[in-house]
Order: sequence, then C-alpha cells, then structure tokens
Amino acid sequence: EDQVTQSPEALRLQEGESSSLNCSYTVSGLRGLFWYRQDPGKGPEFLFTLYSAGEEKEKERLKATLTKKESFLHITAPKPEDSATYLCAVRAPGGDMRFGAGTRLTVKP
Amino acid sequence: DGGITQSPKYLFRKEGQNVTLSCEQNLNHDAMYWYRQDPGQGLRLIYYSQIVNDFQKGDIAEGYSVSREKKESFPLTVTSAQKNPTAFYLCASTWAADPYTQYFGPGTRLTVL
Repeated sequence: EDQVTQSPEALRLQEGESSSLNCSYTVSGLRGLFWYRQDPGKGPEFLFTLYSAGEEKEKERLKATLTKKESFLHITAPKPEDSATYLCAVRAPGGDMRFGAGTRLTVKP
Repeated sequence: DGGITQSPKYLFRKEGQNVTLSCEQNLNHDAMYWYRQDPGQGLRLIYYSQIVNDFQKGDIAEGYSVSREKKESFPLTVTSAQKNPTAFYLCASTWAADPYTQYFGPGTRLTVL
C-alpha cells in the first residue's frame, strides 16, 4: 500500500536556526511529490512539485529536494512567519494523491 | 480575483441532519476534489470530479454525496449516515494543463452538536 510518512511530527526552532523536514514514501512509479504549507484553520498553500530524483526547487528560505525514497524540505534561517504545518503528498501512477500527516513547525523569535 | 471559495467557514450540525458544504472556483479548473482532514492524519479523499455531471468515490465516500452540475461548483452533502462527521473539509481543484497540482480552498470546519 502506498504510504507517506512525515517526520518529525513537530519541530521547534529558534529564529535563524536552520533545519530539515523529512517526507518518506513507498509509492512505486512516482508521478510527483508535492509540498504544501498550511496555516491554522486555513487551506493548504502550494509550495513545490518535484518529479524526479535529484530535482531541487527553492522559494525564499525553503528548498525542497527529492531522492528515490524521500524528500526533504530545508528551511534556512527561518523566521517566525515560517511557523506553519508543512504537508507532503505523492501522486501514484493511478492518479491518487496520498498525503502525510504533516510536520508542525514553530519558529520562536 | 481568481480562486476557490468555500462556505460557510464554520458549520454546526445536529444529529440526524444533512448539511451541504459549498465549493466554488472561478479558475476555469476542470477537476474538483473533496478532502477530509482530521488531527494527526493526512488528508483523505472523499469524492472527485473530472468533468461536469461525472464524479467518482474516493477512499471514504460513505455517508457523503456530491453533484457537479456546473464546472465551477462542486457541493458536498454530509448525510446523517456519516457517523463521525466532525472534521475540517477541504475542496481542491486542478486544471488540464497541470493535472497533478491541486489548489485548495480555505476549508469548512464542521462540528456535530
């Protein structure tokens, strides 16, 4: 069965303290890996799509990378406004999207 | 201003009631989706529709119903058969040129009283 596991469940950082969030998956024939940001009580906001191992994408302080088994969302010098839940999702060959449970990031000033 | 709107933002349901959640998009997107989000779990697909007047069940369709009479609208009805409907409901859509990337609405929080 296709699975998506995100770790850690929660992460607390000091402002400026860089770190990484992990998304591991067991989908065969990946048709895309997606990262979203979700603020409390709001819908997920699209960040990145990665399609093949070795691919990287960046947006401001965020950088997403992809291997054959996992993806990392690197956060460089985070600010309090980066606090949110980050969701990972994968699309399998059949078209289904499978979502992880998310990593709740808190950045303290 | 293009986007996906969901209404209401908060909804309260009594036992035995059916309630309908609205989802509208003016992005000219073709496919629309309904997800349910519970604490500590990933989003789970309820129903999706690729074209008008056609829709398919997702992983957790029992106790829910949908319609797709217009391209821009995809309402979700939570029926009394859904035993545990308290959750955050999210509508999403995709367009034909990029069918893999889903864009989400702001969500509706449904609470059973």
